[in-house]
Amino acid sequence: DVKVTQSSRYLVKRTGEKVFLECVQDMDHENMFWYRQDPGLGLRLIYFSYDVKMKEKGDIPEGYSVSREKKERFSLILESASTNQTSMYLCASSSLGGGVVTQYFGPGTRLLVL
Amino acid sequence: DQQVKQNSPSLSVQEGRISILNCDYTNSMFDYFLWYKKYPAEGPTFLISISSIKDKNEDGRFTVFLNKSAKHLSLHIVPSQPGDSAVYFCAASAGASGTYKYIFGTGTRLKVLA
Repeated sequence: DVKVTQSSRYLVKRTGEKVFLECVQDMDHENMFWYRQDPGLGLRLIYFSYDVKMKEKGDIPEGYSVSREKKERFSLILESASTNQTSMYLCASSSLGGGVVTQYFGPGTRLLVL
Repeated sequence: DQQVKQNSPSLSVQEGRISILNCDYTNSMFDYFLWYKKYPAEGPTFLISISSIKDKNEDGRFTVFLNKSAKHLSLHIVPSQPGDSAVYFCAASAGASGTYKYIFGTGTRLKVLA
């Protein structure tokens, strides 16, 4: 049974705080992703990683950074949280190509920045 | 520029009838498409996929149709059940180009009325 876990379901932070969101997958997947979901905007890709220590910017990387020191763990960092980063954050992982490539998602972290 | 569009933000259907959710895309390099279902406070879960070499894929009550010339895909749910009430996202990938990431639509909220 595939599993992607996220460190927190709900978080409340203050403007200017540094925020860490952690994601762990147990499927030995090479690829990991961070999205944010906002009403009317769907899922937007922030960053993704296709290998340990490798990362690529997604569509909306500004204000975020990531870290992937181990294959199973992908962290999203908000260097200085702002109110416009209040959102639902979703982590996903997938295996490398070879035909069927499905992303598996974690339960999400709902972040409120005050 | 929204490469994957779901133009209907919401849809209501009577229980037992057919639900048809639509998705349009603009990038002709997209060759793999997925549908996800998302309940509130949960991560998206994979429903069904289709590659560009097919025009139809069926899994139980769910069928996805792909019209490459129109750059359009649709998800049919027959018969619709109250438990199908959720937000549905379509996603597209240019897998043949070696891209690992998916572009998601903005979602359609389906409500199945008992």
